[in-house]
Amino acid sequence: IAGITQAPTSQILAAGRRMTLRCTQDMRHNAMYWYRQDLGLGLRLIHYSNTAGTTGKGEVPDGYSVSRANTDDFPLTLASAVPSQTSVYFCASSDKGGSYGYTFGSGTRLTVV
Amino acid sequence: GQNIDQPTEMTATEGAIVQINCTYQTSGFNGLFWYQQHAGEAPTFLSYNVLDGLEEKGRFSSFLSRSKGYSYLLLKELQMKDSASYLCAVIDSNYQLIWGAGTKLIIKP
Repeated sequence: IAGITQAPTSQILAAGRRMTLRCTQDMRHNAMYWYRQDLGLGLRLIHYSNTAGTTGKGEVPDGYSVSRANTDDFPLTLASAVPSQTSVYFCASSDKGGSYGYTFGSGTRLTVV
Repeated sequence: GQNIDQPTEMTATEGAIVQINCTYQTSGFNGLFWYQQHAGEAPTFLSYNVLDGLEEKGRFSSFLSRSKGYSYLLLKELQMKDSASYLCAVIDSNYQLIWGAGTKLIIKP
């Protein structure tokens, strides 16, 4: 592993199903983030975690939950998927208050049908 | 509210110079990033500005004016591989990153 690993790369999911998107980093960054990216809207923050054991809500948290049991892992769960959650999801991490930049995973393309 | 404005799309010619502007209105300022994102890929870090002035890094330069709430990314000697979206993002007073919608840059031969 080098950087951030996201899984799966893509997924087609039936509406109403539960889904967990996985994110693992090996850079020992304190802060981790989940974004969704939709055409014309840019990156929107779903949830974040400034350090292991803490999480916070971003701009669009409804329908999503996260946990941060340790430094490396930050899974995102959709409890009951809806078509409006069709998007590309990026996990990111940062250290030093973010001033050294965010590192992004390669993304998960999720389609809810 | 917090807002970052960038042009939606720009077109330039291979070998030329292009300037992508970004204006921001945020609650506080702790730095500004430029990221490059090729279609279907993750954003990758290009530059970081926290003080006024120009930061040069090879063919890419980034400028910041905090008093004007303004930044630009300057790309010189354009290559076809520079075709991508360019994202401007500002760190606000709560150290949250606020993202612009991105500028899609199309390079023509």
